[in-house]
Amino acid sequence: AQSVTQPDIHITVSEGASLELRCNYSYGATPYLFWYVQSPGQGLQLLLKYFSGDTLVQGIKGFEAEFKRSQSSFNLRKPSVHWSDAAEYFCAVVGGAAGNKLTFGGGTRVLVKP
Amino acid sequence: DAGVIQSPRHEVTEMGQEVTLRCKPISGHDYLFWYRQTMMRGLELLIYFNNNVPIDDSGMPEDRFSAKMPNASFSTLKIQPSEPRDSAVYFCASTTIAGGGSAKTIQYFGAGTRLSVL
Repeated sequence: AQSVTQPDIHITVSEGASLELRCNYSYGATPYLFWYVQSPGQGLQLLLKYFSGDTLVQGIKGFEAEFKRSQSSFNLRKPSVHWSDAAEYFCAVVGGAAGNKLTFGGGTRVLVKP
Repeated sequence: DAGVIQSPRHEVTEMGQEVTLRCKPISGHDYLFWYRQTMMRGLELLIYFNNNVPIDDSGMPEDRFSAKMPNASFSTLKIQPSEPRDSAVYFCASTTIAGGGSAKTIQYFGAGTRLSVL
């Protein structure tokens, strides 16, 4: 069965500093990968997705992610964090035997220090 | 489009009471998903529908939970009787099939219903 691991439960970063959130997946075929963000009290908003092609994908709010098949990773990055980026971030995978079912990682909560 | 609309946003009830959560998917979307989010278990898929038909309910925790989709624009998730361990945020999401394959879909989430069972 497919699974997604986000090793970091919490990350604290200073405003203006760079951010990288890790995501590792276990999947038997080419995965379809997503990053979602959840602001406090809100639903999940799609940041970016990877289906195929260029392994570096750009998303909204200045985020990007790189798909590395050899490492089974899909890490999310942002060069300069803003206070409004404080939220919880979820990596997810869909496809294969699970069909249209999204499998989420446990999430990484990001705190931004002024 | 208004997006996925869930109601109520917050629900506080007493143990043993029936709880009904509601969802209106994005117009034109033919898949609807119900998720539950808790601190202990994270985001879990409970059930999903395609064209109003339940496809996979393997995530429904027990018989106290039921979900219906009487038409393309409305779904309910019912808990009867409710228990304190059902306290969670329940999300509804919808999508439609994108070109190139059924898995290339982006799910759009509602704002969720925060349920507290006392």
